[in-house]
Amino acid sequence: RKEVEQDPGPFNVPEGATVAFNCTYSNSASQSFFWYRQDCRKEPKLLMSVYSSGNEDGRFTAQLNRASQYISLLIRDSKLSDSATYLCVVANQAGTALIFGKGTTLSVSS
Amino acid sequence: NAGVMQNPRHLVRRRGQEARLRCSPMKGHSHVYWYRQLPEEGLKFMVYLQKENIIDESGMPKERFSAEFPKEGPSILRIQQVVRGDSAAYFCASSPMIKAGSSYNEQFFGPGTRLTVL
Repeated sequence: RKEVEQDPGPFNVPEGATVAFNCTYSNSASQSFFWYRQDCRKEPKLLMSVYSSGNEDGRFTAQLNRASQYISLLIRDSKLSDSATYLCVVANQAGTALIFGKGTTLSVSS
Repeated sequence: NAGVMQNPRHLVRRRGQEARLRCSPMKGHSHVYWYRQLPEEGLKFMVYLQKENIIDESGMPKERFSAEFPKEGPSILRIQQVVRGDSAAYFCASSPMIKAGSSYNEQFFGPGTRLTVL
């Protein structure tokens, strides 16, 4: 089983749509979880951290289910500028290395 | 405050040559990490360094790859005798000193060096 697994997509949605990405991780001892965004193979940029209680940042909501080892990202009211690859990321136990999923590609069209 | 800087941004080498990739962390950051992204793949951790010390090199290939972060100057990722399979984007990230009691410190990524081996 891969350490971090994501549906690669692509997800093709119209502007204004709501889209959800899912991710599973294999190490039950993992403590830190994130969603990163990567545009056209540029550097990844932190979108948001993911907390057990769930957290929201504007149109973005992240959820963590430790029992199922499952992380999700919900994007509401999609914009053209949301088109990118979304990377599910888990820090290793020591907190010293990030373990990346392969990413889910989102394409938002007008 | 300048971000993480990497150079060169693009590097072309012939098989058997050496590649040297440089990374200057953000000001005030003393921790450097190297990641590799092969075509159509996710980023993979290679090595974590502090000044003059390699802390975790569990992701480094056993041969031809080395990394350093000297007391003065940038961190260097060195690939000897490059092969076509080394063609990839190499990203460097930096973070400040990890706070006591914290399980994680945010890593800030540089723009990457795209290595092409002919």
